[in-house]
Amino acid sequence: GENVEQHPSTLSVQEGDSAVIKCTYSDSASNYFPWYKQELGKRPQLIIDIRSNVGEKKDQRIAVTLNKTAKHFSLHITETQPEDSAVYFCAATAGYSTLTFGKGTMLLVSP
Amino acid sequence: DGGITQSPKYLFRKEGQNVTLSCEQNLNHDAMYWYRQDPGQGLRLIYYSQIVNDFQKGDIAEGYSVSREKKESFPLTVTSAQKNPTAFYLCASSIRSGLAEAFFGQGTRLTVV
Repeated sequence: GENVEQHPSTLSVQEGDSAVIKCTYSDSASNYFPWYKQELGKRPQLIIDIRSNVGEKKDQRIAVTLNKTAKHFSLHITETQPEDSAVYFCAATAGYSTLTFGKGTMLLVSP
Repeated sequence: DGGITQSPKYLFRKEGQNVTLSCEQNLNHDAMYWYRQDPGQGLRLIYYSQIVNDFQKGDIAEGYSVSREKKESFPLTVTSAQKNPTAFYLCASSIRSGLAEAFFGQGTRLTVV
């Protein structure tokens, strides 16, 4: 089955800095890679996703990159703000199966 | 107001008792899931259902049971066979399994006392 590794487990940045979270996956058939944000005490919510036919996708301050050859994908947050503080989960699926999640990254943005 | 609802938010049970967590969705989604969330462990799949009257075991199904008698409902029973049941449980749904956004409920925090 699919295995998703996520690093780092915790990340502290100053407000305005960039943050990068990296994930690797094991199943070369995986073709959908979403990222979820979970604020303290709340439900995870999708913030961005990418499919295997593109290498990069941007949405305002958030971007995701995918390297299918190396089987890794990354979340990039620019100009971080305190409200970006949360736990971020990456996930992967081959489409015919369920999502496999990474263990999460706790991002702390200090003012 | 469409969404996915879990109840209760907090649940306490005595050791040796079974307990059922509720999950209801009005999004007309075919697929529903149960995840367990522990600190540092991410989201681990307990059971999932791709269609009414059908469900499959996930990675950590031992000690749990589910039913999917209605499209809208996917209750999870934590049985006394689950050795470490204290955790945060999340229910989710998606239009279909796989290449689709998963919508999560607000979760149920179960504590065994």
